Amino acid sequence: QVQLQESGPGLVNPSGTLSLTCAVSGGSINEGDWWSWVRQPPGKGLEWIGEIYRSGSTNYNPSLKTRVTISVDQSKNQFSLKLKSVTAADTAVYYCVANGWYSLEDWGQGTLVTVSS
Amino acid sequence: EIVLTQSPDTLSLSPGERASLSCRTSQTVSSNHLAWYQQKPGQAPRLLIYDASNRATGIPDRFSGSGSGTDFSLTISRLEPEDFAVYYCQQYDSSPPLYTFGQGTKLEIK
Repeated sequence: QVQLQESGPGLVNPSGTLSLTCAVSGGSINEGDWWSWVRQPPGKGLEWIGEIYRSGSTNYNPSLKTRVTISVDQSKNQFSLKLKSVTAADTAVYYCVANGWYSLEDWGQGTLVTVSS
Repeated sequence: EIVLTQSPDTLSLSPGERASLSCRTSQTVSSNHLAWYQQKPGQAPRLLIYDASNRATGIPDRFSGSGSGTDFSLTISRLEPEDFAVYYCQQYDSSPPLYTFGQGTKLEIK
């Protein structure tokens, strides 16, 4: 069971780019298969954003695909999320996750990102 | 896109009682790739069940999952105080790859 920790700015300007990093510890990112980002607006449900394989292959939620980029840095044992052209609707707690068997197994604690000027 | 509908929205029970939560999908879930999560306030979700009926590592055996096709359920055989939380179901679709969640069921103390 790996540990994951999200980091990044807690406040982003509207129309700007949200950037978060997930540090993986207790194991190598190369030992896992897929790594995901999930978000949760305050008081609402969960939305899967996308995933990345250790080799760099990605899959994105079609609803966010035009604005999302997920990347991996094997040398730093971390993966990252960029979401561009953000609006208030992108305000949420963002989680990084280690995928399990067709499920989302190990979760970071989450980080709240607020979109506001 | 497969839509997941959980029922009830809120379930009020007492410790020691049995809880049954439902998750219905708009289309058949491929290979029963249906998972359940528990989320407590201020915490990340915790994987309970994967592939409809397999308990995740460290999950007590009072939690069980069942179902297939479009109709799934999570049962908690005897509620402990720490079980009161929000529960989400989630399915995986491979074409294209997509994880989608139900809206959640809040299990509250009666």
